[in-house]
Amino acid sequence: DAGVTQSPTHLIKTRGQHVTLRCSPISGHKSVSWYQQVLGQGPQFIFQYYEKEERGRGNFPDRFSARQFPNYSSELNVNALLLGDSALYLCASSALLDTEAFFGQGTRLTVV
Amino acid sequence: QKEVEQDPGPLSVPEGAIVSLNCTYSNSAFQYFMWYRQYSRKGPELLMYTYSSGNKEDGRFTAQVDKSSKYISLFIRDSQPSDSATYLCAMSARSSASKIIFGSGTRLSIRP
Repeated sequence: DAGVTQSPTHLIKTRGQHVTLRCSPISGHKSVSWYQQVLGQGPQFIFQYYEKEERGRGNFPDRFSARQFPNYSSELNVNALLLGDSALYLCASSALLDTEAFFGQGTRLTVV
Repeated sequence: QKEVEQDPGPLSVPEGAIVSLNCTYSNSAFQYFMWYRQYSRKGPELLMYTYSSGNKEDGRFTAQVDKSSKYISLFIRDSQPSDSATYLCAMSARSSASKIIFGSGTRLSIRP
């Protein structure tokens, strides 16, 4: 069975640009969450979506946005990129809101 | 003060030793407690999940939660070189999949 898949795996962007990261959850999972992991730190919660609705938002600026599609896949968008946005962006899926979360391999974003 | 505190290590032990990893937390609303293992440049992998206080055992791994002390532990028996990774404690007030708060991770190295 395929796990959580994220694309692209690596990305290099310039300050001020915009980026879109994509996530496909495990088949049958309806909830997708996004996390940012800076080198040497634990992941930080950005968003959770369930049944295409936002169910939670972490302490991130409005430059960060996300959405979930009818097939439960999700996109994370970041506008006006800053050097500090360089991180591993992780997507996690769960069957429901209150079942275990499984993480993808992440997208490593480098902002130069 | 961080909501979840975790000693970053690194921790180096000989093969076969018992490993003890710990986290403390400040938010008494946390009800769901998880341990994730993360290999270099990979996404976190769920190892153990516990609801509220108590112990849970799975093979060589034992998770303990003491809510009165706001302290959680992961024990690894008969440690193997393949256990070398970063271990992240994680917790949530809402569910095991919602707005998970992570510790900063402990780097563990098992010496053959």
